[in-house]
Amino acid sequence: EAGVAQSPRYKIIEKRQSVAFWCNPISGHATLYWYQQILGQGPKLLIQFQNNGVVDDSQLPKDRFSAERLKGVDSTLKIQPAKLEDSAVYLCASSLRLRDPARGTDTQYFGPGTRLTVL
Amino acid sequence: SQQGEEDPQALSIQEGENATMNCSYKTSINNLQWYRQNSGRGLVHLILIRSNEREKHSGRLRVTLDTSKKSSSLLITASRAADTASYFCATDRRADSSYKLIFGSGTRLLVRP
Repeated sequence: EAGVAQSPRYKIIEKRQSVAFWCNPISGHATLYWYQQILGQGPKLLIQFQNNGVVDDSQLPKDRFSAERLKGVDSTLKIQPAKLEDSAVYLCASSLRLRDPARGTDTQYFGPGTRLTVL
Repeated sequence: SQQGEEDPQALSIQEGENATMNCSYKTSINNLQWYRQNSGRGLVHLILIRSNEREKHSGRLRVTLDTSKKSSSLLITASRAADTASYFCATDRRADSSYKLIFGSGTRLLVRP
């Protein structure tokens, strides 16, 4: 089974530029997540989708970040304009469903991430 | 905000020794999950323990959960150099109308050959 794919793996941009990240989840997974992981910290959820609808985007800086999952499969995360503090690894994850009634939040499968450096 | 906090922040042990990492959290949870992250890679799910469970095993991993103390521990027995990684606990909690995983800041484990 193919895992979660992300591209690019690395990106270096200057502040105020724009950048976009792409994610292809595991086939059949309804739920997709974008996380931001700053060096030395745990991942922080930015946005989660159930199919093509947004479930939670409370931690997404909406003045500069946007994300979409148009057909309920692939997703893109965009930053425009980028700031120095956006330097981080952006992780995409997917799960079969949002919740398993018996267990709670379903197991999430992560991609390798995109390491963004903003100069 | 971070829900779980791991302790210690860093741990260095000799191959063959056991490694214990602890996680504390603040609010009630539905489940608690442990993930591993190798340098430069994504996270890999290790084990999930539900709020009504006290202990769970998976191979060389043993996880305990004490909901009265709001804490969990991950024990790796007979460690190997390949276990070198960062380990994160993640708590599953309800926020507004949705549920989400809240990750701690992680324990960086170094297993010396």
